[in-house]
Amino acid sequence: GEDVEQSLFLSVREGDSSVINCTYTDSSSTYLYWYKQEPGAGLQLLTYIFSNMDMKQDQRLTVLLNKKDKHLSLRIADTQTGDSAIYFCAESIMNYGGSQGNLIFGKGTKLSVKP
Amino acid sequence: ETGVTQSPTHLIKTRGQQVTLRCSSQSGHNTVSWYQQALGQGPQFIFQYYREEENGRGNFPPRFSGLQFPNYSSELNVNALELDDSALYLCASSRRGGIYGYTFGSGTRLTVV
Repeated sequence: GEDVEQSLFLSVREGDSSVINCTYTDSSSTYLYWYKQEPGAGLQLLTYIFSNMDMKQDQRLTVLLNKKDKHLSLRIADTQTGDSAIYFCAESIMNYGGSQGNLIFGKGTKLSVKP
Repeated sequence: ETGVTQSPTHLIKTRGQQVTLRCSSQSGHNTVSWYQQALGQGPQFIFQYYREEENGRGNFPPRFSGLQFPNYSSELNVNALELDDSALYLCASSRRGGIYGYTFGSGTRLTVV
């Protein structure tokens, strides 16, 4: 079945890089996403990567995808206190017609940034 | 461009009651999905609506039902509420054929007592 696993906690110092890891099981996943959730808020889409890509960079965010090991990571450079939040990895399988299907989420990684 | 709006933001209901949650999708989006997020967990897919019809369903019982309206807004109805239904309910909209993820609302926090 489909499953997404993440470590639950990560603590870093302000200015350091953060690396949040995720593994997924569905080999037919076509889209992989990273969402951010701040306390009391909904989910904010940070970035996404297609399963035919290895890497994607977007300002301070770098996503790496290892399809062989079904491993996805999100690196946040120069982590700030405002980056403290829960980060969710999610996978989606392409529907008939080419659009994304429903999202399957991990339990989330709580990132704490210490000043 | 307006985002996804949900109402109400908080709700307290008694076990056995029925509840209706509402969602307005982002402008230009024609597909609406609902997710349940229990405390400390990731969101779980409930169902998705496209063209006013259910277009996919997760592992939730029939007492969870929904509607989509011609303006693409949506409702989630839950009958015979149970204590375990206490959660944050998230609505997400997207454009059919789109591949750039979903836009989520801020959610409705439902507490069942």
